[in-house]
Amino acid sequence: GAVVSQHPSRVICKSGTSVKIECRSLDFQATTMFWYRQFPKKSLMLMATSNEGSKATYEQGVEKDKFLINHASLTLSTLTVTSAHPEDSSFYICSASLSTDTQYFGPGTRLTVL
Amino acid sequence: AQSVTQLGSHVSVSEGALVLLRCNYSSSVPPYLFWYVQYPNQGLQLLLKYTSAATLVKGINGFEAEFKKSETSFHLTKPSAHMSDAAEYFCAVSSPARDDKIIFGKGTRLHILP
Repeated sequence: GAVVSQHPSRVICKSGTSVKIECRSLDFQATTMFWYRQFPKKSLMLMATSNEGSKATYEQGVEKDKFLINHASLTLSTLTVTSAHPEDSSFYICSASLSTDTQYFGPGTRLTVL
Repeated sequence: AQSVTQLGSHVSVSEGALVLLRCNYSSSVPPYLFWYVQYPNQGLQLLLKYTSAATLVKGINGFEAEFKKSETSFHLTKPSAHMSDAAEYFCAVSSPARDDKIIFGKGTRLHILP
């Protein structure tokens, strides 16, 4: 089946630094990838939709200058949390779309900002 | 706008008993409906999906769900609970006629009692 990986699985950083999270579709090409944020004991919140070769579409309330998304190829999308602060600590999950009715989710990245 | 409501943030059932997780949706266009399972510190795994074919959908691990348009429901069931079913379950809706976005419910934590 389709596999999506994320790297790193966990990252701890100091406040003010930037962190990059990679999302890769390992055995299929994904024209669309999605980034979600999950707060403790909460549901997934869609942050942005990433299309290969074009600018990401951000959901209302998500700061695009804070969360930089780059979809450089059909198998790779990156999320960079710039100037991270403790309130950015969260579980970030990506997904890759294989068709209109199927998204495959990565295992998630736990970000902790000290 | 689409939305999903999951009734009960926590559900406890005894091992071997029927599992019933409730989900109601709101959508102005024919929806696609999904159930995902999430184990601690992991991404989401698709249990099953409804995409306008058969209203009774069978998924992995013995789960199934029935799409009832008149009730705008998509409840998840399993005849006999197993300890390994303990996890967080998310109901989700999308409208492929518009875009690939998936809207998630807030989740239901399933506890299995020995």
